[in-house]
Amino acid sequence: NAGVTQTPKFQVLKTGQSMTLQCAQDMNHNSMYWYRQDPGMGLRLIYYSASEGTTDKGEVPNGYNVSRLNKREFSLRLESAAPSQTSVYFCASSPFSDEQYFGPGTRLTVT
Amino acid sequence: AQTVTQSQPEMSVQEAETVTLSCTYDTSESNYYLFWYKQPPSRQMILVIRQEAYKQQNATENRFSVNFQKAAKSFSLKISDSQLGDTAMYFCAFMMSSNQFYFGTGTSLTVIP
Repeated sequence: NAGVTQTPKFQVLKTGQSMTLQCAQDMNHNSMYWYRQDPGMGLRLIYYSASEGTTDKGEVPNGYNVSRLNKREFSLRLESAAPSQTSVYFCASSPFSDEQYFGPGTRLTVT
Repeated sequence: AQTVTQSQPEMSVQEAETVTLSCTYDTSESNYYLFWYKQPPSRQMILVIRQEAYKQQNATENRFSVNFQKAAKSFSLKISDSQLGDTAMYFCAFMMSSNQFYFGTGTSLTVIP
């Protein structure tokens, strides 16, 4: 039982490049989330998916897109990376009305 | 809009002593959940304790307990008998009925030997 997995763990991009962060969970959870964590800002929600087939914007969605590929997988795409998107990205999953389980995070640097 | 406020960016405590971390939140919802998460230097987010808003009894998990004051919208975390392994960032979080979560900005706790 791997829980929530994220790939890659580290990534360096040049401004304007695109990439997709992958997230998968094997706990049969309905809800999945993408957060970014910046110093002094806590965790801010980018997008979430309350159930398979639905996605909703969170607090900071600009510059990102998501895909809930199936119940297990929820990917985050940066179409044209900007230095302001340098951050640590966390994926999480949750059964309905319960705690969130987090992945190990991806440290992304945009130069 | 929902907000979660942690007014103590940094705190320290002597080993074996007790420390309380503060959290306040703002919401118009009546049913919700509150959580405290711990993030050690490994960066992994770990659930410490949870509280359902409809329960009046304060949650307890071993050395960790909460003081939940629903009317005051306050949710503080008390750590008793602090241990070196408690050194971490602590985040207070609020979950709405829609399953959307909001996190505070965190409190960095250092346990001093």
